[in-house]
Amino acid sequence: KAGVTQTPRYLIKTRGQQVTLSCSPISGHRSVSWYQQTPGQGLQFLFEYFSETQRNKGNFPGRFSGRQFSNSRSEMNVSTLELGDSALYLCASRGGTSGGQETQYFGPGTRLLVL
Amino acid sequence: AQSVAQPEDQVNVAEGNPLTVKCTYSVSGNPYLFWYVQYPNRGLQFLLKYITGDNLVKGSYGFEAEFNKSQTSFHLKKPSALVSDSALYFCAVRPRGSGNTGKLIFGQGTTLQVKP
Repeated sequence: KAGVTQTPRYLIKTRGQQVTLSCSPISGHRSVSWYQQTPGQGLQFLFEYFSETQRNKGNFPGRFSGRQFSNSRSEMNVSTLELGDSALYLCASRGGTSGGQETQYFGPGTRLLVL
Repeated sequence: AQSVAQPEDQVNVAEGNPLTVKCTYSVSGNPYLFWYVQYPNRGLQFLLKYITGDNLVKGSYGFEAEFNKSQTSFHLKKPSALVSDSALYFCAVRPRGSGNTGKLIFGQGTTLQVKP
């Protein structure tokens, strides 16, 4: 079974621009969570989507948003980019019929550099 | 505030020796507990979890973890370290309850260095 995939893997943007990152979960998984990883703040939860609905949200400004499609693929968007948004953005999926629904499986991440 | 602490930024161990990476947490109730490993320029790879039951949990690649409720700890262990185990290890906690679905709280990570 294919793992979680994220595109693009690397991205360079300038301040003020917006960016959209994509995540395809493991087949059959309906929950997708997003995390930001930075050297200073570590790994921080952004939000979770389940069946196209945002179910939980971390403490990030409204510039960070997301959505989930009917096939469980998810996108996150960051508007008006700031230098501090430079980070590795990780997506994780959860679920399935064979148990282990508590375990989140992570993709390789998208590394965003804001100049 | 809910938090996870990994008190050591780096753990150094010789190949073949046992290793321990420490984790304590401050989360109410009986949270789910996880260990993940991250190799350079990669995402997080799941190692093991504690949900309920036996306090000693076995996971991937020979790793195990010991849950101690009274000390709110979940230390990662391996009887014999390999050089290839060198990586960044994260302890994570998911509070129980519908309001916490999908939200993992991570420790700051511990770099494990295994020397030949």
